[in-house]
This record gives sequence, C-alpha cells and structure tokens, in this order.
Amino acid sequence: DVKVTQSSRYLVKRTGEKVFLECVQDMDHENMFWYRQDPGLGLRLIYFSYDVKMKEKGDIPEGYSVSREKKERFSLILESASTNQTSMYLCASSFGSGGPGEFFGPGTRLTVL
Amino acid sequence: KQEVTQIPAALSVPEGENLVLNCSFTDSAIYNLQWFRQDPGKGLTSLLLIQSSQREQTSGRLNASLDKSSGRSTLYIAASQPGDSATYLCAVRGATNKLIFGTGTLLAVQP
Repeated sequence: DVKVTQSSRYLVKRTGEKVFLECVQDMDHENMFWYRQDPGLGLRLIYFSYDVKMKEKGDIPEGYSVSREKKERFSLILESASTNQTSMYLCASSFGSGGPGEFFGPGTRLTVL
Repeated sequence: KQEVTQIPAALSVPEGENLVLNCSFTDSAIYNLQWFRQDPGKGLTSLLLIQSSQREQTSGRLNASLDKSSGRSTLYIAASQPGDSATYLCAVRGATNKLIFGTGTLLAVQP
C-alpha cells in the first residue's frame, strides 16, 4: 500500500515563527503536492513538485515556500507564521496523470496563536 | 477556469438505502476524475479514479460513472451502512495536471 506520512498530526505555533511541515512518501512517486483545507473554501493547492528540486506555485502560494531535496520528501515552510495560516494541511503524491491518482497523508492541523 | 460543483452539500439516509452523489464540472477537457472519502479531521482516501476514456469504475458497493460531454459524474453507493458516513469529494485533473476539488457532500447514514 502507498504510504504518505506527515511529520505531525497537530502543531501549535506562535505568530512570526518559522514552521516546517514534512511529508514523506514511500512509492517512488514523481509528483508531490501541498494543500490547505478550510471550512467553506475546500481544498486549495499551495505548491507542487514534479521532480527533485523542482517546484511550481499553486493557487495560494503567498506566505509559503517548499523544498524537495530528495524524491520521497516534500517540505512546506511558513517563513513567518500568521494567524490566517491556521488550517489543516494535506500532503499528497502521485505518479502522474496516467497513474492511479493521488494519495493523501493524514493531515497536519496547524494552529497559529 | 475549471469549476467543480457537488450536489447535495449534505445528505442523510437510513441504513440500507442506495444513494447517488453528484459532481459536475465546467470544462470537459479532463484527464481523469477521482472520488475521495474524508472522515472528520483526517486525510483523504481515494475511492475510485476514472480515466477520461472510461465510462465507469466499480469497487465493491461503489460505482462511479463519468459523462465527459455533459460534464457530470455520479458516485453510486449500494446498501449504505453507518460506516459510509463521511464527506465525499470529487476532483478533476486537467491539462495542468492539478486536481480541482469540489466542496464535497457530507453523508450521514442513520442506523
């Protein structure tokens, strides 16, 4: 079974802190994605990556950056956390458009105080 | 710009009923459509994926259909059970290789 793991299930940080969210997949997927999910707004794509060291902006990249130094790991970085970044963060991975679709991690509930 | 709509937003049915969840999308130029299930506070679990060349996919009590020309997909759940209670999301993948999600249908199956 494909496994996508995220470093924390729950995280509480203070405004202005630098926050790292880690995602690891074990199926050699080329593509990796970071989404945030908010009530009434659904899932929105923050950043995605098609390969190591490659990244592309999604729909809401402001205030975030990403890093993909190894194929299996995709990190989301909040350079200076703000209260409006309180959300559920979901990581996903996939082989691509012809594959079996995207597989999601369990999510990280981030609260910024 | 692709938009995905799911109707109804919420549904409550008694156990044992067959039910249909609807998903519509505005741009028919898609590569595939994927149905997910999400339990409260959890990540998404992939249920079925339909490639653009396919009409339907089945897995156990679930059957998903796709009509690209009309921009519609349905998820049919047979003999519903309380354990089916969750939010169901559909998502389409287009030329950008990004998934565009609907806002989901919250299903409650009453014992």
